[in-house]
Amino acid sequence: GAGVSQSPRYKVAKRGQDVALRCDPISGHVSLFWYQQALGQGPEFLTYFQNEAQLDKSGLPSDRFFAERPEGSVSTLKIQRTQQEDSAVYLCASSLTGLTGANVLTFGAGSRLTVL
Amino acid sequence: AQTVTQSQPEMSVQEAETVTLSCTYDTSESDYYLFWYKQPPSRQMILVIRQEAYKQQNATENRFSVNFQKAAKSFSLKISDSQLGDAAMYFCAYRTKSGNTPLVFGKGTRLSVIA
Repeated sequence: GAGVSQSPRYKVAKRGQDVALRCDPISGHVSLFWYQQALGQGPEFLTYFQNEAQLDKSGLPSDRFFAERPEGSVSTLKIQRTQQEDSAVYLCASSLTGLTGANVLTFGAGSRLTVL
Repeated sequence: AQTVTQSQPEMSVQEAETVTLSCTYDTSESDYYLFWYKQPPSRQMILVIRQEAYKQQNATENRFSVNFQKAAKSFSLKISDSQLGDAAMYFCAYRTKSGNTPLVFGKGTRLSVIA
């Protein structure tokens, strides 16, 4: 597609509920990133894929967070047993090639998760 | 670990005036990239300008320019002839040139433009 598409745009979950956030990157983009942005803060790195391989998941805050990109295009970020501290905007970004070089990230509009 | 610091949580500027947003960073690397991103209320991060550390010349993009001081590890953004549409959160970001490291962002500066 023309841009990075994320869905849902807004999600309200009850504490303990599982959620799944979807990212559809720009067609042909090799790299895909997930960031978490708490209210009033800058984005914090969660995880990175190159094609279907998850090369870095050092930013995932707990084992309740899981991401996948099985066919090297669409990615899903899953949060199990959501907690109130998971409330944030989850941003997805993609780039044409890998992390080397000044590859510009194109961001989606994010999914705002509110956990009650 | 690399860190990015934006010391101005909020700034305001009169329409048509010039404003400078500050950013400092900490790194032991010699070659890296620096970026300024704009995030309007729609939440979409938009790249404003980027700078390669080995380039002496400051990057410019129309009304946007940077003052890159490598020794001081400073990377400020100047917006000239400010427009109402410039109102947004602005994030400074850093990435090393080597290795598999993601973008590291500062906490952001909220810019208001006064008509």
